[in-house]
Amino acid sequence: KAGVTQTPRYLIKTRGQQVTLSCSPISGHRSVSWYQQTPGQGLQFLFEYFSETQRNKGNFPGRFSGRQFSNSRSEMNVSTLELGDSALYLCASSSRDRGREGYTFGSGTRLTVV
Amino acid sequence: AQSVAQPEDQVNVAEGNPLTVKCTYSVSGNPYLFWYVQYPNRGLQFLLKYITGDNLVKGSYGFEAEFNKSQTSFHLKKPSALVSDSALYFCAVSTLNYGGSQGNLIFGKGTKLSVKP
Repeated sequence: KAGVTQTPRYLIKTRGQQVTLSCSPISGHRSVSWYQQTPGQGLQFLFEYFSETQRNKGNFPGRFSGRQFSNSRSEMNVSTLELGDSALYLCASSSRDRGREGYTFGSGTRLTVV
Repeated sequence: AQSVAQPEDQVNVAEGNPLTVKCTYSVSGNPYLFWYVQYPNRGLQFLLKYITGDNLVKGSYGFEAEFNKSQTSFHLKKPSALVSDSALYFCAVSTLNYGGSQGNLIFGKGTKLSVKP
């Protein structure tokens, strides 16, 4: 059974650019969440999607957006990149709404903004 | 607001000795508790979870955790540490209520475990 797949694994972008990260959940999982991980702030919740609907959104500026497709694949987009957006972005999928059965994480996308 | 605390930034243990990584939580409603481990430049790997039932939960790689409702704790333990256990460990909690801006899975800050030979 394939795990959560995130692409690309590494990304280097310049300030002001925009970036799109992709996440393919485990087959059959309809819940996808995104987290940003930095050494200073730890793991911070970005947003959660379930059946193409955004359920929750974290305290991030509007430059951070996401969506989920009918096949449960999800993308997140960051526009007008800032140096502080450099982080490991983790995607997690769950078989149940609200994650009561736990989440499976992907290996993450390491974004470096220069 | 709901929260998870991992009071130790780092835990140092000698190989072969027992290890404990501490976690306490504060949530409204019944908690679902998880431990994850992260190796450098990797995602989070699931270790174990407590949903209901037996307070002692056994997980992957010989780890176990004890749910203590009165102390609102969920400490991670292993009877004999290995050098390969050295990694970053995260405690997390989920509830039946929507997490709102915190999300459904709330993480502690993480504890770095260092096991020396």
